[in-house]
Amino acid sequence: QQQVKQSPQSLIVQKGGISIINCAYENTAFDYFPWYQQFPGKGPALLIAIRPDVSEKKEGRFTISFNKSAKQFSLHIMDSQPGDSATYFCAAKEPPGSARQLTFGSGTQLTVLP
Amino acid sequence: DAGITQSPRHKVTETGTPVTLRCHQTENHRYMYWYRQDPGHGLRLIHYSYGVKDTDKGEVSDGYSVSRSKTEDFLLTLESATSSQTSVYFCAIKIQSSYNEQFFGPGTRLTVL
Repeated sequence: QQQVKQSPQSLIVQKGGISIINCAYENTAFDYFPWYQQFPGKGPALLIAIRPDVSEKKEGRFTISFNKSAKQFSLHIMDSQPGDSATYFCAAKEPPGSARQLTFGSGTQLTVLP
Repeated sequence: DAGITQSPRHKVTETGTPVTLRCHQTENHRYMYWYRQDPGHGLRLIHYSYGVKDTDKGEVSDGYSVSRSKTEDFLLTLESATSSQTSVYFCAIKIQSSYNEQFFGPGTRLTVL
């Protein structure tokens, strides 16, 4: 039972292009949707996050688009750079009172070609 | 890494041997988590702790046990390691904030032969 489905599994983009990673969720009680970035040999690091009452959040070249009715959210990386090459995980947080907290997508390996 | 260290960082062991992984934090956070990361599965929760001696199971807890005798240390034990437990293990802590974000340690790569 996969509550957060992430696609694509891998993505290759040219430098300067737009990278788009999509996630879909099932549990409407999720109340916070973070994205994590992971470089080889490192732990995942929080990149950007959004609450379901907001349709878009932008931080620099990274934007989350959120569609509550479709239960989908996506990460857009504008002007992708080789340094953005990493694995990206979407996640969804369970509401307060649940210690379990986060359910993760399966990850997307992004490669940005120079 | 939000003051989180994991030890060892790499370990190779044989099937049937016991293994203990350690997560240490320096910032007195109440909640700590153990995840495993496998290709195609993302991060899956093994066990978590919400205080000293207070622990609970995650979605993939079979074959694992945990202990937390001090706030700063959260131990993950494989009583009898199997090849299916070959994985990268991450510890995380939860920051008390408006969104209760989780921050991850550097990971332990475990290989069970």
